[in-house]
Amino acid sequence: EAGVVQSPRYKIIEKKQPVAFWCNPISGHNTLYWYLQNLGQGPELLIRYENEEAVDDSQLPKDRFSAERLKGVDSTLKIQPAELGDSAVYLCASSPVRGTGELFFGEGSRLTVL
Amino acid sequence: SQQGEEDPQALSIQEGENATMNCSYKTSINNLQWYRQNSGRGLVHLILIRSNEREKHSGRLRVTLDTSKKSSSLLITASRAADTASYFCATYNNDMRFGAGTRLTVKP
Repeated sequence: EAGVVQSPRYKIIEKKQPVAFWCNPISGHNTLYWYLQNLGQGPELLIRYENEEAVDDSQLPKDRFSAERLKGVDSTLKIQPAELGDSAVYLCASSPVRGTGELFFGEGSRLTVL
Repeated sequence: SQQGEEDPQALSIQEGENATMNCSYKTSINNLQWYRQNSGRGLVHLILIRSNEREKHSGRLRVTLDTSKKSSSLLITASRAADTASYFCATYNNDMRFGAGTRLTVKP
């Protein structure tokens, strides 16, 4: 069974440019998370989806960040415009519906903003 | 915001020794989980302990949970160089919140 797939793995952009990250969760997993991880820190929740509905986006900086999960499967996280402080790893994770909350993570997308 | 705090932040031991990491959290939980992250990779689930359990084992891993103190510990016995990684505790109650992690180095 394929795991959580994220792309791109690495992205380098100039500040003020837009960037988008894509996540394909494990088939059948209704819950999808986006986390941000700074160097040497733990993942910080940005947004959680149950199917196509964003049920917890309180930590998402909505002035420049947006996310969508069309048809309750793939998800895209966008930053526009990017700032220097956005340099981090963006992790996507999925979880089965009505599960114990065990998360399956992708390899992450490492963003560097110059 | 992060829910848990791991202690110590970094731990360096010799191969064959045991490694103990501690986690404290702030709010009520459904369960607590431990994850491992190798450098540059995603997190991998290690073990889950429910709020009504006190201890759980999986191979060389032993996890304890004290809900009255809002704390948990992860013990890795007979450590190996391949155990070198960052370890995170995570609390689950509708969503998953992670601590800052313990960076474990096992020297061969």
